[in-house]
Amino acid sequence: SQQGEEDPQALSIQEGENATMNCSYKTSINNLQWYRQNSGRGLVHLILIRSNEREKHSGRLRVTLDTSKKSSSLLITASRAADTASYFCATAQKNNDMRFGAGTRLTVKP
Amino acid sequence: DAGITQSPRHKVTETGTPVTLRCHQTENHRYMYWYRQDPGHGLRLIHYSYGVKDTDKGEVSDGYSVSRSKTEDFLLTLESATSSQTSVYFCAISDKGQEFYNEQFFGPGTRLTVL
Repeated sequence: SQQGEEDPQALSIQEGENATMNCSYKTSINNLQWYRQNSGRGLVHLILIRSNEREKHSGRLRVTLDTSKKSSSLLITASRAADTASYFCATAQKNNDMRFGAGTRLTVKP
Repeated sequence: DAGITQSPRHKVTETGTPVTLRCHQTENHRYMYWYRQDPGHGLRLIHYSYGVKDTDKGEVSDGYSVSRSKTEDFLLTLESATSSQTSVYFCAISDKGQEFYNEQFFGPGTRLTVL
């Protein structure tokens, strides 16, 4: 069963706009991670946020975590066509088992 | 792809045949993982290894076995392939280091089709 579930399943925006993706999960976690996958490629790690952190930044990426609501959001600011990809959240549980959601497919139109 | 290779990259096989997929890393990372990716399911963990000859089951381990005789190699075997095992298989590695749960680095994937 999936632990993380992303919302929306698909998102289409214009270049320069911001993109926000959400992730909800069910059980307690040690950390939550976001990954990107370009078509036909493996996943690439973007950012990790620990369960005791509320917000984290990395370049144009901003991740928030609300453990009371069991949810996280990924914001990509000033999007570019190269940001077109699928984005997955993954939750790390106690037994070193990481569970991935089904992903949000982001399309950035030039 | 962080020093991770998978072989083969593509394979077509018939139902009932054995299949072995290989993951090779040059990073000397302790942990290695096998996932499958199917539409609508994201990635699901099949098996993982936390050291040479140390492995454990993941979420969808039925029909799969693994072996790790060397730090750098992690093999996934389908003893008797079924059509439901048609998928894209990803290998990943991680090294705990100071972070208790590190990010994982993924290989390029193997596309397996079972006819």
